[in-house]
Amino acid sequence: EPEVTQTPSHQVTQMGQEVILRCVPISNHLYFYWYRQILGQKVEFLVSFYNNEISEKSEIFDDQFSVERPDGSNFTLKIRSTKLEDSAMYFCASSRDYSSTDTQYFGPGTRLTVL
Amino acid sequence: AQRVTQPEKLLSVFKGAPVELKCNYSYSGSPELFWYVQYSRQRLQLLLRHISRESIKGFTADLNKGETSFHLKKPFAQEEDSAMYYCALIYSNTGKLIFGQGTTLQVKP
Repeated sequence: EPEVTQTPSHQVTQMGQEVILRCVPISNHLYFYWYRQILGQKVEFLVSFYNNEISEKSEIFDDQFSVERPDGSNFTLKIRSTKLEDSAMYFCASSRDYSSTDTQYFGPGTRLTVL
Repeated sequence: AQRVTQPEKLLSVFKGAPVELKCNYSYSGSPELFWYVQYSRQRLQLLLRHISRESIKGFTADLNKGETSFHLKKPFAQEEDSAMYYCALIYSNTGKLIFGQGTTLQVKP
């Protein structure tokens, strides 16, 4: 069964550095998402992406964040200048459609640690 | 504002006991709700959705609009049900999922 993959599984970075988190969604899916989960807290929506555009972003997704689908298979989340509070597990998800009849499939997550 | 509340962080039961994981929501439109599960060292995966009215692995959930609840139930818990369970609401225009805090279900032998 096809799965969403994410790399790296764990990223450690210094505060102020740029990081790029990578995701490969399921190949026939058209909708892509990033969520994050700070340790001990709930999973929070960051951004949804369709047709090479952001569909919706949360208030967390400020100018330091960007997403891109550079080559038709990868879907990336970039944090320009990381802060300590960006330390979290970041999940990528994809779906064929955005409706409730369709399932969002999640990747295994990337644990980002900002020192 | 849309919100999902799971009041219990941890629910511990013995094998064979009934289970009810509580979920309440706040949503101005017609809600569409899901339960996701995360087994140890595995990814988040969909368990069931209210629109399908299905039973998966013996779990069921009924949407109660009057009480704004979507509790997850299973009559006889199994040890393999031990996992983290998340209730979620979808904002249909963009697919945004709003999650509750999650409840850890621990089924003891």
